[in-house]
Amino acid sequence: SQQGEEDPQALSIQEGENATMNCSYKTSINNLQWYRQNSGRGLVHLILIRSNEREKHSGRLRVTLDTSKKSSSLLITASRAADTASYFCATDAGGSSNTGKLIFGQGTTLQVKP
Amino acid sequence: GAGVSQSPSNKVTEKGKDVELRCDPISGHTALYWYRQSLGQGLEFLIYFQGNSAPDKSGLPSDRFSAERTGGSVSTLTIQRTQQEDSAVYLCASSRTSGKNIQYFGAGTRLSVL
Repeated sequence: SQQGEEDPQALSIQEGENATMNCSYKTSINNLQWYRQNSGRGLVHLILIRSNEREKHSGRLRVTLDTSKKSSSLLITASRAADTASYFCATDAGGSSNTGKLIFGQGTTLQVKP
Repeated sequence: GAGVSQSPSNKVTEKGKDVELRCDPISGHTALYWYRQSLGQGLEFLIYFQGNSAPDKSGLPSDRFSAERTGGSVSTLTIQRTQQEDSAVYLCASSRTSGKNIQYFGAGTRLSVL
């Protein structure tokens, strides 16, 4: 079964607005990653946050992690039409024997209208 | 350098036929993963290879699915006696090692079973 659940499932905003996507997971983790997918094909890694980190920034992206609530959020500021894509959170299996196998959420489909 | 390469990009087959999907990971990456993505869904882990260790096959949905990784590089995912429910995008990813490393995805193979 999927580890992560994301909300909203779909989000439509105007260019220039901020977009916030949330992810919840069930078990302990070593890290959480966010990926982007265009046109239902390959995924592109956006950002990785470790379990001992609370917030991380990369350009217009801001990720937060709350391990007590087992949740993370991805904020895209000043959105652009080119940000239109599906966004997935992915968690590892946790523990010292972590294989790197990722467990993905169902994803949030973001549409940014020009 | 080149990214993860998958072939074919699209495959249409008849129910009951066998198919082989190929993945060329990034050179030097020791970890290789196969995922499956059904229409509008998140990614489902299938199998994981790390160096010369025994693969983690825990995600394979049935014994019709198998995968090999020859020489620690190229991998082939084989689906025998395909069924319509096997229709999906099959994604391959590689990473430098397992664990906390970022996974780099190929563009996927879209399999359609008629």
